[in-house]
Amino acid sequence: DAMVIQNPRYQVTQFGKPVTLSCSQTLNHNVMYWYQQKSSQAPKLLFHYYDKDFNNEADTPDNFQSRRPNTSFCFLDIRSPGLGDAAMYLCATSRTGGLAKNIQYFGAGTRLSVL
Amino acid sequence: GESVGLHLPTLSVQEGDNSIINCAYSNSASDYFIWYKQESGKGPQFIIDIRSNMDKRQGQRVTVLLNKTVKHLSLQIAATQPGDSAVYFCAVLNAGNMLTFGGGTRLMVKP
Repeated sequence: DAMVIQNPRYQVTQFGKPVTLSCSQTLNHNVMYWYQQKSSQAPKLLFHYYDKDFNNEADTPDNFQSRRPNTSFCFLDIRSPGLGDAAMYLCATSRTGGLAKNIQYFGAGTRLSVL
Repeated sequence: GESVGLHLPTLSVQEGDNSIINCAYSNSASDYFIWYKQESGKGPQFIIDIRSNMDKRQGQRVTVLLNKTVKHLSLQIAATQPGDSAVYFCAVLNAGNMLTFGGGTRLMVKP
């Protein structure tokens, strides 16, 4: 059973039209991450949450925002998608304690197309 | 900051042969390493990890070797199967407790 669930799997939006991607987890992990992955490249971290504390990467554009209303859910908002934002968006979770800390568990991703 | 690289972008092996995927990292203080497998259209899947107090760790058909002297990490897959075809990423835990991913090696298994 999927433990990190991303919806939708495929999202098509228009240039400049806001879009929201969602992620939920059943692992009860306290850390959640959003990555952007362009074809055949390594995932690039956009931001992460330690519990409710939001941590933005220095080079993440302001166009990308995130919300985490509770432990289980996290959202990625792209306020004005550009053509360059077309990519796979990956959500991941981890916990900060225990033997398996630092292992990030990924969802299947949402592939975003911008027309 | 940490940089992580893989030695080959593509590796092609015959079914049944062993595969070796290599990775180099830059920070000698790095103490935790993970290998991920990413199949087409899916998210990265955890394969195996290793801490710097070990130089070898084995899983089911996979072995990770860590050489801290030359800052090199490898993933060995025994008796490679068609289902092993994927992109493999190594990841290193950096000073901020985040993972830095290498560029990925695409493994292609020939029947």
